Amino acid sequence: NAGVTQTPKFQVLKTGQSMTLQCAQDMNHNSMYWYRQDPGMGLRLIYYSASEGTTDKGEVPNGYNVSRLNKREFSLRLESAAPSQTSVYFCASTFASGGGRTDTQYFGPGTRLTVL
Amino acid sequence: GNSVTQMEGPVTLSEEAFLTINCTYTATGYPSLFWYVQYPGEGLQLLLKATKADDKGSNKGFEATYRKETTSFHLEKGSVQVSDSAVYFCALRNRQNYGGSQGNLIFGKGTKLSVKP
Repeated sequence: NAGVTQTPKFQVLKTGQSMTLQCAQDMNHNSMYWYRQDPGMGLRLIYYSASEGTTDKGEVPNGYNVSRLNKREFSLRLESAAPSQTSVYFCASTFASGGGRTDTQYFGPGTRLTVL
Repeated sequence: GNSVTQMEGPVTLSEEAFLTINCTYTATGYPSLFWYVQYPGEGLQLLLKATKADDKGSNKGFEATYRKETTSFHLEKGSVQVSDSAVYFCALRNRQNYGGSQGNLIFGKGTKLSVKP
């Protein structure tokens, strides 16, 4: 049981390059999330997927796209990277019931992205 | 709107000192409250949580009590250890479903704790 896994762990891009961050969970969770963490800013939600087949914007979605490939996998894509996207990216998952109750969010180890 | 405010760090303490990290929140509805911890180079882990007023969450010697009257969820530990050095995040989750956002966490900015031997 690996929990939430993310690849890659580190990445350096040049401005304008594209890349996809991968996230997978093996806990049979229905909801998945992408956050970015910047110094002094805490974690900010980029996109989330409440269930397989749905995705929604979070607080800071500009410059990103997501795909919920199946129940296990949720990827984040940067189409044209900018220096402002230099950050640490975390994926998380949880089980959200229809009654508004959700269990603990479990986080992956993060991807450290630098855009030059 | 929903927001979380926690004390700014860094906080530096000596081993066995008493720790308090303040956290206050603003929320519409009836949120659940959480403390997450991030050790160097790792992702976030749930430390403790409380789902209703007057609940006390506890784990690993850490405690926090959900105070609705003061909208607070302060983190405390009676005797810190060097291994407690980490960044601590207070967070809330509003249990009401606003536009499908149920389950989304709102985080404070984090408080870095350094414990010296």
